[in-house]
Amino acid sequence: AQKITQTQPGMFVQEKEAVTLDCTYDTSDQSYGLFWYKQPSSGEMIFLIYQGSYDEQNATEGRYSLNFQKARKSANLVISASQLGDSAMYFCAMRAVMDSSYKLIFGSGTRLLVRP
Amino acid sequence: EAGVAQSPRYKIIEKRQSVAFWCNPISGHATLYWYQQILGQGPKLLIQFQNNGVVDDSQLPKDRFSAERLKGVDSTLKIQPAKLEDSAVYLCASSLAAGLSYEQYFGPGTRLTVT
Repeated sequence: AQKITQTQPGMFVQEKEAVTLDCTYDTSDQSYGLFWYKQPSSGEMIFLIYQGSYDEQNATEGRYSLNFQKARKSANLVISASQLGDSAMYFCAMRAVMDSSYKLIFGSGTRLLVRP
Repeated sequence: EAGVAQSPRYKIIEKRQSVAFWCNPISGHATLYWYQQILGQGPKLLIQFQNNGVVDDSQLPKDRFSAERLKGVDSTLKIQPAKLEDSAVYLCASSLAAGLSYEQYFGPGTRLTVT
C-alpha cells in the first residue's frame, strides 16, 4: 500500500541553524514523485520542492533541499539558515498511480518552531 | 497570476444542515481537486476533476457529499446533511494537468465547524 510516514510531530530549531525534517514512503511503483509543502497558520499549502523517482540529483530550491535516498525510501527536507518565518507545519507527499489515476497522498506533518 | 480562490473562508453550521463551498482554480488549469483536512492530519483527497469530468471520487462520502464542475472552470462542493465529523478545513487545489510531476496549487481553504 502507498504510504507516507513523518515520525516527528514537532521540531524546534534555533534561528539561522539548519534543520532536517524526516519523511519515509512506501510504494511498489517505480515511477513516483515526492513533494514537500509548507502550511503556515493561515492554512494555505505552499509548494516547496519536488523530487522525481528517476532524478539522480537531489532537488534544491533556495534554502530547501531534498535528501533523496531511494534504497531507504526516504525523502528528508533540509532547511538551511532557518528564519522565524519558517515556523509552520510541513507535509511530505507522494504522487503515484493509485486506482488508475495519479493521486497525491500526504503524511501527518511535522510542526516546526524556529526560536529567535 | 491570481491564485486559487475559495469562499467562504469560515463557516459554522449545526449538524444536519447543508453547506456549500466554492472554488475558482488558476486560469488554464485543467485539473481540480478537493481535499479534506481534519485537525492534526494531512489533507485527504475527496474528488478530482479533469476539465468537467470526474477522474476519482473513491474517497468522497457520496451519501452526503457532492461536487460539480459544470463548465470545467469553477467548482462547488456540497455537504447535505452535515455531521459533527465533517468539521475540517476543505482545500481546493488545481494543476495544469494530472501528470506525475505537475505541482498542485492550493487555495486558502474553508474552515467548517459543525456544532
